[in-house]
Amino acid sequence: KAGVTQTPRYLIKTRGQQVTLSCSPISGHRSVSWYQQTPGQGLQFLFEYFSETQRNKGNFPGRFSGRQFSNSRSEMNVSTLELGDSALYLCASSLTGQSSYNEQFFGPGTRLTVL
Amino acid sequence: EDQVTQSPEALRLQEGESSSLNCSYTVSGLRGLFWYRQDPGKGPEFLFTLYSAGEEKEKERLKATLTKKESFLHITAPKPEDSATYLCAPSLGADYGGATNKLIFGTGTLLAVQP
Repeated sequence: KAGVTQTPRYLIKTRGQQVTLSCSPISGHRSVSWYQQTPGQGLQFLFEYFSETQRNKGNFPGRFSGRQFSNSRSEMNVSTLELGDSALYLCASSLTGQSSYNEQFFGPGTRLTVL
Repeated sequence: EDQVTQSPEALRLQEGESSSLNCSYTVSGLRGLFWYRQDPGKGPEFLFTLYSAGEEKEKERLKATLTKKESFLHITAPKPEDSATYLCAPSLGADYGGATNKLIFGTGTLLAVQP
């Protein structure tokens, strides 16, 4: 069974640009969550989607947005990039929309570097 | 406020030297506590989910336990390949008021096992 895939794996952008990251969950999984990981802050929750609906959003500025498609694939977008957006962006896939009795599996991440 | 604290921040063991990692949490109405292993530059790898106080789960040299306020990851006779960062992540509690897969991550314990 294929795992969670994320594309691209590495990305270099300059300040002010925008970027779109993609996540394909495990087949049959309907929930996708996004996290930002930095050395100083660790893993921080960005947002989660279930059946194309954003259910929950973390404490990030509006420059961070996302969406989920009918096939459960998800994208996140960061506009007007800042140096501090350099991080590993991870998505997690799960079968249902509820953490109870519901394992969550992470993809390999997208390493974003903002110059 | 939901909080997670992992200790120690770093741990160096000799091969075969058993030890335990601690995860203390404050989450209203815990729905589940996840343990992950993360290797440098990779996404977290799912290890265990615990759902109720007193529950224990084992996988090879690892055993995870859960109380109402803490979880422990016991490592028995570790090998160098067990070297990684171990992350714990309680799921948001029932007081949140809705279904969610949001996880609140601790900063992790960096484990180094020397041969």
